[in-house]
This record gives sequence, structure tokens and C-alpha cells, in this order.
Amino acid sequence: QKEVEQDPGPLSVPEGAIVSLNCTYSNSAFQYFMWYRQYSRKGPELLMYTYSSGNKEDGRFTAQVDKSSKYISLFIRDSQPSDSATYLCGAIQGAQKLVFGQGTRLTINP
Amino acid sequence: GAVVSQHPSWVICKSGTSVKIECRSLDFQATTMFWYRQFPKQSLMLMATSNEGSKATYEQGVEKDKFLINHASLTLSTLTVTSAHPEDSSFYICSARDPTSGSSYEQYFGPGTRLTVT
Repeated sequence: QKEVEQDPGPLSVPEGAIVSLNCTYSNSAFQYFMWYRQYSRKGPELLMYTYSSGNKEDGRFTAQVDKSSKYISLFIRDSQPSDSATYLCGAIQGAQKLVFGQGTRLTINP
Repeated sequence: GAVVSQHPSWVICKSGTSVKIECRSLDFQATTMFWYRQFPKQSLMLMATSNEGSKATYEQGVEKDKFLINHASLTLSTLTVTSAHPEDSSFYICSARDPTSGSSYEQYFGPGTRLTVT
């Protein structure tokens, strides 16, 4: 079992839709949870991070962590074609290594 | 924000030759750098953790004699793929931690290097 599981998609939605991206994890020691966005042939860029359970909002993006169910979510409101990318969830325990999910390829259709 | 660069962005080499990839932290000193490998449509897999002035720590299954990592300064780490073969063709991405950032978790990623071995 992988430590962080993510549905690879691909996921295709119309512009303006609400997008929900999800991951599950198995290591209860994970403390920080991140979402990265990666455009084709580019390095990942950090979108959001959360510490422990709870929600965090940044503009059109909301990150959510439920440690009781080991569930990580990213919601994108009013999705735009420029949001089309691969989204990677990640988890880390302290200063230990960052473990990524498989990544979900998202396409927003105009 | 912190910037990490990689050079080259794309390299083609012949089978059996060695190729070196550089990773630089441009506006901060990185005591720890990481090297990842990413195959098409797959996630990033950590290859090794590099600490300045000490030997790299390799992940299970990564050949340390094939993937030589040197972190000789606080702003530069290099990955040398020795005796490259077509199966080594991949996207190699480095990242770095800024010890002054106040967060133990945040890594800044480089733009990646595409290696094609013919």
C-alpha cells in the first residue's frame, strides 16, 4: 500500500465548475499536507499547505484535511482553463521526506 | 520567493556516456537538497536526499554508484548519471529547503531536467 494514494484521473470539467481533488494516506504520523500544481514539463509549485486537520482557503482554492479518516482534499472554485495542470498531493512528517500521491491530471474546458 | 534553478533543462546523450545535472538555490542557502525522478504521467519519486558537506542518503532501490550526488556548497548540488542507458531517460527534478524559512516542511522545486538517452 502506498503511503499516499491519489486518483490519477484524468479529470475534465467545464470552465466555472467546482473541482474536487482527493487523496488518502496511511501514515498517521504525517503532520503537514500539501498541494502542488505541476504544468507539463515544469517543476511542481506549492499551492497550499495545511497543518493537521482543518480547512485553509486561499482565493479560489480550499485545502481540507480530515485526520480521523486520513483524507486530503483540494477544492477549486470557478475553475479556469489556466487551472489545467497536474495536481499532486503530498504529506510530510516533521523534517522527513515529502511523499507524493500519483497526481491528478485536470483539464478545464472553455 | 525562493528560487531553484536547474541546468540543463534538456539533455540528450548517447548510451554509455555520463551526464551531469546541476541544481542551484539562487537566493538562499540550502543545507538540504532532494533529487526526484518522474516518468511520464507518473508522480515524483524521491531518489536521494543531499546534505551539504556529507554523503547523500539514497532511497531503497536507487543505485548510488549510478546516480552520483555531490552537494559541495550551500547553493549547488549535482546529479551525475553514469553510464546512462535508455531506461534512465526521465524527468529529473531537484528541490531545496531553506533553513531560515521557519518551516521544516517546505521545499522549493526546480524546473526539472529532461534526460533522453539514445
